[in-house]
Order: sequence, then C-alpha cells, then structure tokens
Amino acid sequence: NAGVTQTPKFQVLKTGQSMTLQCAQDMNHEYMSWYRQDPGMGLRLIHYSVGAGITDQGEVPNGYNVSRSTTEDFPLRLLSAAPSQTSVYFCASSSGLAGVYEQYFGPGTRLTVT
Amino acid sequence: DAKTTQPPSMDCAEGRAANLPCNHSTISGNEYVYWYRQIHSQGPQYIIHGLKNNETNEMASLIITEDRKSSTLILPHATLRDTAVYYCIVTSLKWVRDAGGTSYGKLTFGQGTILTVHP
Repeated sequence: NAGVTQTPKFQVLKTGQSMTLQCAQDMNHEYMSWYRQDPGMGLRLIHYSVGAGITDQGEVPNGYNVSRSTTEDFPLRLLSAAPSQTSVYFCASSSGLAGVYEQYFGPGTRLTVT
Repeated sequence: DAKTTQPPSMDCAEGRAANLPCNHSTISGNEYVYWYRQIHSQGPQYIIHGLKNNETNEMASLIITEDRKSSTLILPHATLRDTAVYYCIVTSLKWVRDAGGTSYGKLTFGQGTILTVHP
C-alpha cells in the first residue's frame, strides 16, 4: 500500500490564484481530514470527511473548500489564495473502527503564497 | 475535547528512557488519551492511545493515572531518531452533533513537547 499520498510536494502561488491540493489513500479508510501547520505551531483542522459525500468544517475552514466523491480521494481547494494561507498542509485518513482512531498522515504540501 | 498541558521541551540521553508527561485534568469519562509525534518536516505519526488502563506496544508505553487526570508516555530506550515533537491529545471517539446526528472525534493538536535525544 502507498498509504496517504499528497501532491504537489511544493507549490508557490500568487495572491488571488486558485489551486487544488490532492490527497489520496489506498487503505479504504472512511475518515479523511485536512490540517494546516504554521511555523512553530501545532496542526489545525481545516475540513474533514466521515465518508464519501459527507464533509464538515474544522477549526479554520475559511478560504477552503472540500468534496469527497470517492472513498479514496479528498481534494482541498483554495478559492483565492492569500498570504495568510502560506503553510504546510497535511492530509490524514483513518478507519475509525471502534476503539481505534489512528490517523495516517501524508508527507505534506508546502504552500507559499506571495 | 479536554485541554492538555505538556512541557515545551525535554532532553534525553540516547539509550535511556524518555518519560513525557501530559496533564489533562478536565478529561471526561468517554475521552481517550492519544499520543502522536512529528519528526521534522514529516507528517505526524501515531504512537499509542489508551482510556484508563496502561498500554504498551512496540513503540512505547502509556501510563495513565488512576484518576485519569494525567499520563506519561515512555520511550524505553530512546534513540536519536526519536527526536521529534510529541503531542498528547485527548478526545472522544464520537460526539452528538447539534443537528442531532452523529459525528466522530477530531484530533486537536496543541504545541506538544520537543524531545531532543542526545548522543
């Protein structure tokens, strides 16, 4: 299994541009999440999904959209990039079986908005 | 979710046990204690979790006090590769949403403890 994959690894955007960060997992996990991590800070939850067709907002959802049309994919869309969205973005998935909430994280996408 | 308090940094000598404390005095009966770590520039990695009993796996041991208000993650023989930020997280697996439906527990990452293992 490849686990959780994210593309691209690095991206530079100009203010106002839009783009989609890709996330895919091959473990048939129901639950997927997007986090952002700013320098010297912990991870903050952006959006999450408990299954195909079901998404919900996390702590910092403004400026981001998500959709979950398949179990495998959970793309994160930046509608109009702003310098405040410069961050490292991590995608995670988990099976959420009773008693287990072990999340598997991808390698991250490092985004710079100028 | 209950709030956690961890020391900002700790040091440990290679080969010795690393004991990382976490206070969670407002923990509820249905909340679990999870530990993750993040090695520089990588995604976080799950280590271990527990409810009230002590737990051990191939990576670490988790000791939870009887009143569940604090816990300690133990890396029995720390190596240089264990240098990382360690996050203690307390969360319930499920909660009832305002709309009356059911959703699932989220992991809220705080600042964590920077563990530095020295040769």
